[in-house]
Amino acid sequence: KNQVEQSPQSLIILEGKNCTLQCNYTVSPFSNLRWYKQDTGRGPVSLTIMTFSENTKSNGRYTATLDADTKQSSLHITASQLSDSASYICVVNQAGTALIFGKGTTLSVSS
Amino acid sequence: DAGVTQSPTHLIKTRGQHVTLRCSPISGHKSVSWYQQVLGQGPQFIFQYYEKEERGRGNFPDRFSARQFPNYSSELNVNALLLGDSALYLCASSLVGVDRGRRDGYEQYFGPGTRLTVT
Repeated sequence: KNQVEQSPQSLIILEGKNCTLQCNYTVSPFSNLRWYKQDTGRGPVSLTIMTFSENTKSNGRYTATLDADTKQSSLHITASQLSDSASYICVVNQAGTALIFGKGTTLSVSS
Repeated sequence: DAGVTQSPTHLIKTRGQHVTLRCSPISGHKSVSWYQQVLGQGPQFIFQYYEKEERGRGNFPDRFSARQFPNYSSELNVNALLLGDSALYLCASSLVGVDRGRRDGYEQYFGPGTRLTVT
C-alpha cells in the first residue's frame, strides 16, 4: 500500500532552537518528494521539491534531505521563529498519478 | 498576479443537501486538482483536471463529481451530503498535470480552501 508516514505527530520547541521532522514513504513508483507548510485553516505552501537524484535542497532556514534507497526524508528547520508554528506535510508524487500526503507534523514554537 | 481563489470561504449545509464549490486557478495554469482535508489529517486527492478532461480520480464515492470550464476554472459538486463530508476542501493549480511524467513535476499552488460543515 502506498503510504507516507510522518513523525513526530507534534513537536514543541523554543524560539531560536533547531528541529528535524521525519518522513518515511512506501510509494512506488516514485517521482518526487515535497514538503509543504500549512498554517491553520489555510492552504499548503510548498517549501521544497526533490527528485530521485537530489539528496538535499534548501529554502532559507528550511533544509530537506532525501534518501531514496531507504525511502526516508527529513526537514530541518534552523533558528526557529514564532511564525514557523504550523503543520508540515510530506508529500510523495507517485509517478503517473497524483500526490500522496502524509498526516503532517504540528510544530509549535514558543517564546 | 492573483493566486488560486476559491469560493465560498465557509459553507454550512444539512445532511442530504447538495453543494458546489468553485476554484479559479492561477492565470496560465491549465490543471486543477481537488483535495479533501479532514481535521487533523493530510489532504486526500479527489480529482485532477487538465485541459477540461479528468486526468485522475481518488477513492471517493460517485456523490463527488467535478468539471473544468474552458477558462480552466473548476467546480466540485457533492450530492447527498453526509456528516463525514465536513472538511476543508482545497483546490490546487499547476501548469500541467502532476501525472505528466516529468520527474520534478510541476509545482502545485493551493488556494485558501473552502470550509464545509455538514450538520
